[in-house]
Amino acid sequence: SAVISQKPSRDICQRGTSLTIQCQVDSQVTMMFWYRQQPGQSLTLIATANQGSEATYESGFVIDKFPISRPNLTFSTLTVSNMSPEDSSIYLCSVAHSPPNYGYTFGSGTRLTVV
Amino acid sequence: AQSVTQLGSHVSVSEGALVLLRCNYSSSVPPYLFWYVQYPNQGLQLLLKYTTGATLVKGINGFEAEFKKSETSFHLTKPSAHMSDAAEYFCAVSFYSSASKIIFGSGTRLSIRP
Repeated sequence: SAVISQKPSRDICQRGTSLTIQCQVDSQVTMMFWYRQQPGQSLTLIATANQGSEATYESGFVIDKFPISRPNLTFSTLTVSNMSPEDSSIYLCSVAHSPPNYGYTFGSGTRLTVV
Repeated sequence: AQSVTQLGSHVSVSEGALVLLRCNYSSSVPPYLFWYVQYPNQGLQLLLKYTTGATLVKGINGFEAEFKKSETSFHLTKPSAHMSDAAEYFCAVSFYSSASKIIFGSGTRLSIRP
């Protein structure tokens, strides 16, 4: 299965600033996904990152707040823009594996604290 | 729409006792089902998955789950709990496509009493 390198692993940011999170995969994958895990909560899908086209956002998430880039089949970034304390969460990227070994691998996450 | 419901946000069992974490799904097409574990301050680790074939699936650390289509369930069990099993457990559902997103349940925190 794929190996994902996600960074930074954690950061403390001032409100009003932006943070860009990177995910590097060791193999080419069609789809990459970005999730948010708020404190004590489950994972919520932010968007699906498509190579060569705009990301597809889930209800409640917008491109202006969470712009995503997907320049090639092994790399993606998520930016959390104009941050507020409510954005304090763990952000994870994920990739889906093609059949027959169908499944998902997750990055180790970025723990973001906004002060 | 697809969804996952985990019954019980917190389950506490004694060491050596049976672990049962409940998961029900809603889907209009055959689902692929997963259980993930998250230890404190760590990432997600796949415990087991059901895609096709045998409905009783064995995973890591002695866990297993059974896909019951008639009950739309995928409960996770372990015959004998160990202190190291204390963690957050997530049930998740997806569908046959590498473009498909995975949807997570709300999670169940498992505590083990000595």
